[in-house]
Amino acid sequence: EDQVTQSPEALRLQEGESSSLNCSYTVSGLRGLFWYRQDPGKGPEFLFTLYSAGEEKEKERLKATLTKKESFLHITAPKPEDSATYLCAAFSGSARQLTFGSGTQLTVLP
Amino acid sequence: DAGVIQSPRHEVTEMGQEVTLRCKPISGHNSLFWYRQTMMRGLELLIYFNNNVPIDDSGMPEDRFSAKMPNASFSTLKIQPSEPRDSAVYFCASSGTGGSQPQHFGDGTRLSIL
Repeated sequence: EDQVTQSPEALRLQEGESSSLNCSYTVSGLRGLFWYRQDPGKGPEFLFTLYSAGEEKEKERLKATLTKKESFLHITAPKPEDSATYLCAAFSGSARQLTFGSGTQLTVLP
Repeated sequence: DAGVIQSPRHEVTEMGQEVTLRCKPISGHNSLFWYRQTMMRGLELLIYFNNNVPIDDSGMPEDRFSAKMPNASFSTLKIQPSEPRDSAVYFCASSGTGGSQPQHFGDGTRLSIL
């Protein structure tokens, strides 16, 4: 059975304190992995797609990377507005059937 | 462009009542998904449609749940009769053509069954 595990469950950072969120997966024949951001009371917002080991994607203070066993979401010099829950989701056959992790709740303190 | 639109945003009703949740996907997207999110179980896929046809409903918890997609711009998820354990946030998502397109989510319906 495919599994996606995210760690830590919760992370508190001071503004400007860089860190990484982890998403480990056991998915047979991984075709891709998505990262989403979810704010309270909102739906998940798509951030990145990663398809192969070694691939990196960047957007503002966020950089997502992928290896054969896990993905990282690096947050450089975070700001309070980066506070959210970050979800990763992996797929093998089709992106219509995703295996979601349980998320990392990030809080960035001013 | 407008995103996925869900209504109502909040629904509070009594046990045994029928509940209907509505979704308008992003124009041009041909796949539509219904999810349920709870603290205990996270995001669970209930059912998805491709070109208005239900493809996989294995996540629908029981016969009290039904979903329809009468056309490319509208879908409903119905619960009849509702039970307190159905309380959750229900999300609709849509994605474009192709097996690797990301799903784009609406802002959900927060459902409370008393």
